Amino acid sequence: DVKVTQSSRYLVKRTGEKVFLECVQDMDHENMFWYRQDPGLGLRLIYFSYDVKMKEKGDIPEGYSVSREKKERFSLILESASTNQTSMYLCASSPHGGWGRMITDTQYFGPGTRLTVL
Amino acid sequence: AQKITQTQPGMFVQEKEAVTLDCTYDTSDQSYGLFWYKQPSSGEMIFLIYQGSYDEQNATEGRYSLNFQKARKSANLVISASQLGDSAMYFCAMREGVFSGGYNKLIFGAGTRLAVHP
Repeated sequence: DVKVTQSSRYLVKRTGEKVFLECVQDMDHENMFWYRQDPGLGLRLIYFSYDVKMKEKGDIPEGYSVSREKKERFSLILESASTNQTSMYLCASSPHGGWGRMITDTQYFGPGTRLTVL
Repeated sequence: AQKITQTQPGMFVQEKEAVTLDCTYDTSDQSYGLFWYKQPSSGEMIFLIYQGSYDEQNATEGRYSLNFQKARKSANLVISASQLGDSAMYFCAMREGVFSGGYNKLIFGAGTRLAVHP
């Protein structure tokens, strides 16, 4: 089975802090993704990575950065956390490279991190 | 315009009965993929079933089946013999096939919350 793990299930941080969310997948998948999920807004793509050290902006990259130094690990960084970044953050991975052009490229998700910024 | 529409914010069903969760989509592509995910209260998004636009048969996975009506652009999820553990949010998602210059991302609907009553 595909296993995607996230470093924390719940996290509470203060405004202005630098926050790291870690994601690890154990299936040698090419692509990794970070989403945030908010009530009424569904899932929104923040960033994705299709290879080590490669990253692409999603729909809402402002206020976030990412790092992928190893194939299995994809980190989301909030440089200076703000209250409007309080949300559920979901990491996902998918097997097919090539910018995910394969229709069947299924994404597998981690358990999520519920971040609260005070 | 909404690409994925799930018109039922909430549904309930009696245990052991079947339930249909609606999903309509909007695309001008001929080649696309449709996905259903389940999100229990624990937060993890669980992949359930996939249907390709060129697949002639409706997809089935255990108690899950996808009622794919291409002309109507609908991809409804049918859960047979509902169980208490089926209580969750259910998301329909689509990936379009035409390369648009970037990653062909998954587009999610707003979700339907299903409650299974004993």
